[in-house]
Amino acid sequence: GAVVSQHPSWVICKSGTSVKIECRSLDFQATTMFWYRQFPKQSLMLMATSNEGSKATYEQGVEKDKFLINHASLTLSTLTVTSAHPEDSSFYICSASLAGVRYEQYFGPGTRLTVT
Amino acid sequence: AQTVTQSQPEMSVQEAETVTLSCTYDTSESDYYLFWYKQPPSRQMILVIRQEAYKQQNATENRFSVNFQKAAKSFSLKISDSQLGDAAMYFCAYRSASDMRFGAGTRLTVKP
Repeated sequence: GAVVSQHPSWVICKSGTSVKIECRSLDFQATTMFWYRQFPKQSLMLMATSNEGSKATYEQGVEKDKFLINHASLTLSTLTVTSAHPEDSSFYICSASLAGVRYEQYFGPGTRLTVT
Repeated sequence: AQTVTQSQPEMSVQEAETVTLSCTYDTSESDYYLFWYKQPPSRQMILVIRQEAYKQQNATENRFSVNFQKAAKSFSLKISDSQLGDAAMYFCAYRSASDMRFGAGTRLTVKP
């Protein structure tokens, strides 16, 4: 299957600072990328869906100004957590797909964010 | 919004035996896909099997098969000849043009 990378795999930041997480599709052009959040021993919660060149569509309850998503190219999407707080500490996972429901999502390995 | 329910938080199976994981979902949409994903301790999500809602035939992938009952909105996963490497969290997922949902997950333990 296709490969999706995430960077960094683990990041620690201080409260009040911003942190950027990158998601790259390495061997295919991803027209759609998804960002998920996963708390320990819980399921994945979809945060937002982004299509290349368009603004991201955020799920209800997700703060757009806090979780900035940019999908500027067909191989790269970024999630920026602005003014991070300890409650933002979580595991963030991205996935990439071609446009259309029938296409498979390929998941990145995830990024563990710890806010101190 | 669509919901996906996995009623078994934990399951256990003896190596080489068969186990079935349950999943039900609720939707009013007609065009959707259902998936089972495996998440090992590494936390890398791995696609196990997928089912197109418009297909009546149950999907199979080697030792993995599903029992898709569209009218009952049920989508169970059967793992045959269980192996130690099958131990992981298993998530049932629903995807349509307007939604992407995961169930709460089932932790599968495989006993040697």
